[in-house]
Amino acid sequence: DTAVSQTPKYLVTQMGNDKSIKCEQNLGHDTMYWYKQDSKKFLKIMFSYNNKELIINETVPNRFSPKSPDKAHLNLHINSLELGDSAVYFCASSQPGGYGYTFGSGTRLTVV
Amino acid sequence: DAKTTQPPSMDCAEGRAANLPCNHSTISGNEYVYWYRQIHSQGPQYIIHGLKNNETNEMASLIITEDRKSSTLILPHATLRDTAVYYCIVRDAGGTSYGKLTFGQGTILTVHP
Repeated sequence: DTAVSQTPKYLVTQMGNDKSIKCEQNLGHDTMYWYKQDSKKFLKIMFSYNNKELIINETVPNRFSPKSPDKAHLNLHINSLELGDSAVYFCASSQPGGYGYTFGSGTRLTVV
Repeated sequence: DAKTTQPPSMDCAEGRAANLPCNHSTISGNEYVYWYRQIHSQGPQYIIHGLKNNETNEMASLIITEDRKSSTLILPHATLRDTAVYYCIVRDAGGTSYGKLTFGQGTILTVHP
């Protein structure tokens, strides 16, 4: 069983579209995260949820909206996609305080 | 979280030890040193972490200097599959950063046959 799974693995879409990326973890962790890795390979945190509550919200455009229906799921919805949103998005989960950090395999988003 | 400095790239021969340095001169007393690696196109993978004592697990060893201003990750017998970007991260494990990992540029380790 994959510990942290993301879908889809690849996503190609046109500018202006709205898309969602889903993430699920079966590790029993309370905290989940979204990270973005841009073309220069810098990995940066976007959001963090602890037990369905938003606790980290970095400087991210309002077009990005995370949603956590339960503590095992953290989805990322992106409105009005722009070329600059092209990146690899990684979901991760951990125990409180960051113990047992586990990343998913990533979603490569390409906006054309 | 304290900033870290790593060499941008290193090479290692297969079967030899790979020693990856990291400077973290502004580390504070409650901050741990974590090491992660990212193999091409995959998500980052946890390797090891420590506070002030040297640590060893099945993947690697972590040597932290007495003043805690630098550390070295040691892969004792590097294989081709160890080719990856290695990230040294300093963070407060007490929860004030809420588990946030701040990645730098890391070190690209290339293991040669």
